[in-house]
Amino acid sequence: QQQVKQSPQSLIVQKGGISIINCAYENTAFDYFPWYQQFPGKGPALLIAIRPDVSEKKEGRFTISFNKSAKQFSLHIMDSQPGDSATYFCAASKGFQKLVFGTGTRLLVSP
Amino acid sequence: DGGITQSPKYLFRKEGQNVTLSCEQNLNHDAMYWYRQDPGQGLRLIYYSQIVNDFQKGDIAEGYSVSREKKESFPLTVTSAQKNPTAFYLCASSSEGETNEKLFFGSGTQLSVL
Repeated sequence: QQQVKQSPQSLIVQKGGISIINCAYENTAFDYFPWYQQFPGKGPALLIAIRPDVSEKKEGRFTISFNKSAKQFSLHIMDSQPGDSATYFCAASKGFQKLVFGTGTRLLVSP
Repeated sequence: DGGITQSPKYLFRKEGQNVTLSCEQNLNHDAMYWYRQDPGQGLRLIYYSQIVNDFQKGDIAEGYSVSREKKESFPLTVTSAQKNPTAFYLCASSSEGETNEKLFFGSGTQLSVL
């Protein structure tokens, strides 16, 4: 009930391509869905987040798509760059409850 | 600069030894957390503290202990009871009392067993 399932585990995209990472959840009470970006040897940092009252949120090249009926949300990175190479974590929470994290996706953008 | 400082960056533990990981924050956050990161397993919550002198177990607290004597500090001790301590440990903080919390993470400590 509390899990967030993330896929794929790893992803290789050519420079300029679109990177897509997917997450699925079971708990329909979740009301906050952030994505965190982590570079090697560093801690994760909040990248973008969405609430279930909207179906899409865009910040620069990063877009979250949210499908409430399917209980899925995804991160799209447009015009992917080598500097986007990192591990990406989706997460979910409800109100004051602690974040539940996905297992992470290692993205490599080839030059 | 405001932020979270973790030390040391690398730590080695001998069998039967307790080791302590340091975490200090100057963000004036009430809540602090410890996560363990293993390849392919994401971030798992070890302990968290919402206020000084109080803390709660997370999902994988066995073999770990914490203290919260000061708002700025939340050290984690990996005890000899933790049989598989090799992992990347992350400390985080957030402003307690806010829904949909935003976590601020430190740069982590890589713990390895000799």
